[in-house]
Amino acid sequence: AQKVTQAQTEISVVEKEDVTLDCVYETRDTTYYLFWYKQPPSGELVFLIRRNSFDEQNEISGRYSWNFQKSTSSFNFTITASQVVDSAVYFCALTNENQGAQKLVFGQGTRLTINP
Amino acid sequence: SQTIHQWPATLVQPVGSPLSLECTVEGTSNPNLYWYRQAAGRGLQLLFYSVGIGQISSEVPQNLSASRPQDRQFILSSKKLLLSDSGFYLCAWSVLLAGGEQFFGPGTRLTVL
Repeated sequence: AQKVTQAQTEISVVEKEDVTLDCVYETRDTTYYLFWYKQPPSGELVFLIRRNSFDEQNEISGRYSWNFQKSTSSFNFTITASQVVDSAVYFCALTNENQGAQKLVFGQGTRLTINP
Repeated sequence: SQTIHQWPATLVQPVGSPLSLECTVEGTSNPNLYWYRQAAGRGLQLLFYSVGIGQISSEVPQNLSASRPQDRQFILSSKKLLLSDSGFYLCAWSVLLAGGEQFFGPGTRLTVL
């Protein structure tokens, strides 16, 4: 069975600090896909990144970066120089290779609060 | 570009009343469609998914049902709501691609009293 664990329930930092959100996953599949989503107070989930199991290159997009390490089954997300607008609940998710519907397994989410 | 709509945005219903939530997608054809529920504990639970018109798969036995009468329309229903049906309902779509990302609608907040 697949499982995603986000051990950090809530994180609170001061603006401009760097913050890392942890994600640990479990799967028996050799091919799988990992995702991060952001849920601002409005409620809509916003897609941030998708990574497949064969691509362990770290990804950087502006102030956001992702560290994928298969050896530790982790896919961590770092926000550099955090801003108040980064305040949201962040979800890590996992799915296996499937030509049909992709059933996402979500972690419980990490509520990130950036204080001015 | 693709957009996904959900309505209503909020809904307050008495226990035992029926439910119909609608989701429509624009700008794509033959999408996979999904219904999720997010309870107060923040986790998202997949309720139903559909790979085509009339094709519905249920993930969790429950008081709800889903239908897909048209290619880009997905409906979540109940004949009699329970208190435990309260939550935030999210519709999502994805393309037919292995590991393709899902794109979510704005959600419907349902309160059953």
